[in-house]
Amino acid sequence: AQTVTQSQPEMSVQEAETVTLSCTYDTSESNYYLFWYKQPPSRQMILVIRQEAYKQQNATENRFSVNFQKAAKSFSLKISDSQLGDTAMYFCAFIPFQGAQKLVFGQGTRLTINP
Amino acid sequence: GAVVSQHPSRVICKSGTSVKIECRSLDFQATTMFWYRQFPKKSLMLMATSNEGSKATYEQGVEKDKFLINHASLTLSTLTVTSAHPEDSSFYICSAREVRGKNIQYFGAGTRLSVL
Repeated sequence: AQTVTQSQPEMSVQEAETVTLSCTYDTSESNYYLFWYKQPPSRQMILVIRQEAYKQQNATENRFSVNFQKAAKSFSLKISDSQLGDTAMYFCAFIPFQGAQKLVFGQGTRLTINP
Repeated sequence: GAVVSQHPSRVICKSGTSVKIECRSLDFQATTMFWYRQFPKKSLMLMATSNEGSKATYEQGVEKDKFLINHASLTLSTLTVTSAHPEDSSFYICSAREVRGKNIQYFGAGTRLSVL
């Protein structure tokens, strides 16, 4: 089964700290797409970062970066210099094979940044 | 980034009435749109995949006669909740996949439906 697992239901850090959110997934395919989405209290889903499985280089977007370990099927998100506005629900998701359309979502991690 | 508009953001209706929710891609064409339902503090649950010009594909357990989906153009999909009941109260979110994009789904802001 193609699944995504986020093992941390909730996390809390102080402003300016670095935090890493875990994500593992399961697929037998070699090419697929991985995503992190953020859902703040407004509930608008926002794309944070995207990674294509055939690319070995880890994706980065400003303060957000991923640690993509293909063999381990791990896709963690690192947020550096965390800000109050980073408080949100974070969902790891993937499109499990080339040509697929549907996103498979993890259960989410609720991240709180404290002042 | 690409923008998806979802309307209305909030709707309250009486039991037995129908409600239509619109999802528009504002600055790109979307051959495929998706409709999700989200329960409080839970992940998104895919209801159906909507392809322009063809019938929607519903996920197992989703009643297609209750949740009517129309995707009449490359920029508009609608979800109609027919004969709504209180158990249909939920947060509904649409997303759109860009035709020439990088297999990214862009999401609308969601619609909170309350059925009295």
